[in-house]
Amino acid sequence: ETGVTQSPTHLIKTRGQQVTLRCSSQSGHNTVSWYQQALGQGPQFIFQYYREEENGRGNFPPRFSGLQFPNYSSELNVNALELDDSALYLCASSSLRQVQGDYGYTFGSGTRLTVV
Amino acid sequence: GQQLNQSPQSMFIQEGEDVSMNCTSSSIFNTWLWYKQDPGEGPVLLIALYKAGELTSNGRLTAQFGITRKDSFLNISASIPSDVGIYFCAGLQETSGSRLTFGEGTQLTVNP
Repeated sequence: ETGVTQSPTHLIKTRGQQVTLRCSSQSGHNTVSWYQQALGQGPQFIFQYYREEENGRGNFPPRFSGLQFPNYSSELNVNALELDDSALYLCASSSLRQVQGDYGYTFGSGTRLTVV
Repeated sequence: GQQLNQSPQSMFIQEGEDVSMNCTSSSIFNTWLWYKQDPGEGPVLLIALYKAGELTSNGRLTAQFGITRKDSFLNISASIPSDVGIYFCAGLQETSGSRLTFGEGTQLTVNP
């Protein structure tokens, strides 16, 4: 069973540019969530995708957008990058058909984005 | 946005000591989770709690779901150097699906 994989692991972008981050979900998981973790902070929920549609969104502007593909993998796109977008971006996969007592919410290792 | 208040922010202890950290909220959560995050890695689930009052152990770790459903604590007994890392509490609310709300984290340092 493969876990959640994210790419790239590190990325440096210039303010105003656009970036795409990728996530492959764990086998058997049909839901993908994205989180932003600023340095020294806890992760903050960006949005979740289920059946290729956005299924909940946190307090992030529209320049943060995403996609989910038929194989349940996902992309996070950020347009017009700002310095404050520098953070670790975490992807987590889960199954909405979770069994009580078997919490299948698995995080990837993240993509470290630096905006200069 | 919704926040979980986690304390302490950091702890410096000697190997062998016990550790306790907690998380509180002004809102009710129906699931409490405790994660550990190592540098350069994503959070790894340590313990999940599903019922108010539930006390669950995982090796040297013990966590409890507060009876008010607004708090949780994590205890680590007989700490070892590999316990070093950042510990996060996280909660799920019935109205927010599978969206996790995280605390700010507790940085644990264990001196050998």
